[in-house]
Order: sequence, then C-alpha cells, then structure tokens
Amino acid sequence: AQKVTQAQTEISVVEKEDVTLDCVYETRDTTYYLFWYKQPPSGELVFLIRRNSFDEQNEISGRYSWNFQKSTSSFNFTITASQVVDSAVYFCALTTSNYKLTFGKGTLLTVNP
Amino acid sequence: GAVVSQHPSWVICKSGTSVKIECRSLDFQATTMFWYRQFPKQSLMLMATSNEGSKATYEQGVEKDKFLINHASLTLSTLTVTSAHPEDSSFYICSASGTAITYEQYFGPGTRLTVT
Repeated sequence: AQKVTQAQTEISVVEKEDVTLDCVYETRDTTYYLFWYKQPPSGELVFLIRRNSFDEQNEISGRYSWNFQKSTSSFNFTITASQVVDSAVYFCALTTSNYKLTFGKGTLLTVNP
Repeated sequence: GAVVSQHPSWVICKSGTSVKIECRSLDFQATTMFWYRQFPKQSLMLMATSNEGSKATYEQGVEKDKFLINHASLTLSTLTVTSAHPEDSSFYICSASGTAITYEQYFGPGTRLTVT
C-alpha cells in the first residue's frame, strides 16, 4: 500500500514570506515517483515537479524549491518570497510500479497582500 | 505537447438521467486513462483505470454499473454517470499516460457535474 501525508491542511502567509509545504510518503517499492501539483480555484491541476526515487538532488525552479530526503521519506516544497498568485491548493502525489497516483489531502495556501 | 481535454467543462443534469464525459488525448496516444473524482475541499480519489480496448479496473467502493467507462481508442475515454443522483455531484478529472513514459499522467481540466 502507498500513502501520502500532507499534515498541513491550511497555511496563511503574508506576501513575500517564505513558506514550506510538507509531504511525507509511504511505499514498499524501491522505485517510485513523487509529484507536486498546484490546483488553483479554476480546478485544473498544474504539474510542478516530478522526482524519481533514485534522484535525491534538490531542485530549484525560480521561487520554487524541493527537498527530497529518502531517509525521512519526505518531499517538501518551499516557495520563496510568496506572491498572491501562489494562492492555491497544493497536492503531493506518489506513484509506484502500479502506475496509480496516490494523492495527499492537499494544503490550501493563502497568500495575503 | 501532452495535452488532455475534457468535455464538457461543466454540466447540470436532472436526477435520474445519465451524463457522459469525454476525455481526449490531443497530441499523443494514451494507452492508459484514469478517472478521478474530487469532492469540494477534498483530494482526488481514483475511481478507475482503463486501458485501450479492455475493461476498466475499478477501485474498491466504486460502482462499475453506475460509472461506465469506455476506452475505445488510444485518444478517447468516456465516463458515463448513469441514473445520476445529487450525491454524484462532483468534479471529475481524467488523466492519460502514453506508451513512452507510463508513470507520467497528464491531466485534463476537469468536468464539474451538478445533479439537481
């Protein structure tokens, strides 16, 4: 069985603050992929990043960065200098050899001006 | 590339009627398509997985006679909600994966179904 836990249900920050969204996963597979998606109020899922289990390098893309640590089964997402447009629900997800995506419950991020 | 469309984007139907939602991969061949349901303020829950030309595999608790899935071609899958009830009102999202990178799913924009 696979499981993704996003313990933070809602986070509220003021613009320009940094914010980290936590994601902890569980799987018995040694090969797996982790994802982060953004879901704005329109509902359409926006792909942010994919990371496979063999690549623990952290990644930075503009104001976004991801920290993947297999030792703690975590794949955390940090937004630096948050902006109002970052307000959305963010989902962490996991897929393994069965190719089924398991989503966390999501974190609602509200960035206030 | 890797664009998935859904039609309609929203639909309102009366209780007891059936409604069909289409999911199309526009620029790639989708060997596998997935259907998710998302209730307000909740996460996406996988309903079923369909492979082209074969019967869909439904997740536990999903009524296969109520949610009919057809994946007749490599670019089209349909979800038909039969005898819809107000509790079927939800956001339905499809995704598709291709032959080359099977772990990658490309998501459609979703269909908001309201049953009155």
